[in-house]
Amino acid sequence: GAVVSQHPSWVICKSGTSVKIECRSLDFQATTMFWYRQFPKQSLMLMATSNEGSKATYEQGVEKDKFLINHASLTLSTLTVTSAHPEDSSFYICSARLRQGVNQPQHFGDGTRLSIL
Amino acid sequence: GEDVEQSLFLSVREGDSSVINCTYTDSSSTYLYWYKQEPGAGLQLLTYIFSNMDMKQDQRLTVLLNKKDKHLSLRIADTQTGDSAIYFCAERESWGKLQFGAGTQVVVTP
Repeated sequence: GAVVSQHPSWVICKSGTSVKIECRSLDFQATTMFWYRQFPKQSLMLMATSNEGSKATYEQGVEKDKFLINHASLTLSTLTVTSAHPEDSSFYICSARLRQGVNQPQHFGDGTRLSIL
Repeated sequence: GEDVEQSLFLSVREGDSSVINCTYTDSSSTYLYWYKQEPGAGLQLLTYIFSNMDMKQDQRLTVLLNKKDKHLSLRIADTQTGDSAIYFCAERESWGKLQFGAGTQVVVTP
């Protein structure tokens, strides 16, 4: 149980393109999803907390107009990297927490490797 | 500096026990977690412990928590080559946000 699916797993695109990444909770409802960014050989950096039906909460230093988050249902959150540039290349990972489960652990997707040429 | 600290590397022989250590700073943390990350993949939840517990055992995994010293450890018994990965310690902050350590790379040698 508690499976989180992330799509696509790898995307390569030209500079200036916008890229959408999907995060789905497959067998549970997730009121809250989280988006992380991970640089090579480093830890995860929380970018934003995505709450179903409301605006996402962004961490300090993360541009909300650059990284658009939409959490329209209890099983889907999307992260759109707008007008992506090479410095946006990274590994993006989402996680989801069980509905009404603030004490529940986060379950992670397999990540999306984004490469901007 | 980081609120959660881990040693960066551990080499262990197949069949031996591995011990990965972690220290944290937030004494109000209620839950502490261990995640495993294999190359190119997301994080897999291994186990977690509530702050009122000293120890939790789950098959080959044993978690020890010293709340006074804010020290957490993960012991893997009979370490196998499939245990080679990066292991992240994380503490739960307010509203369920996680603060991760930098990760410990575990290399299992034959």
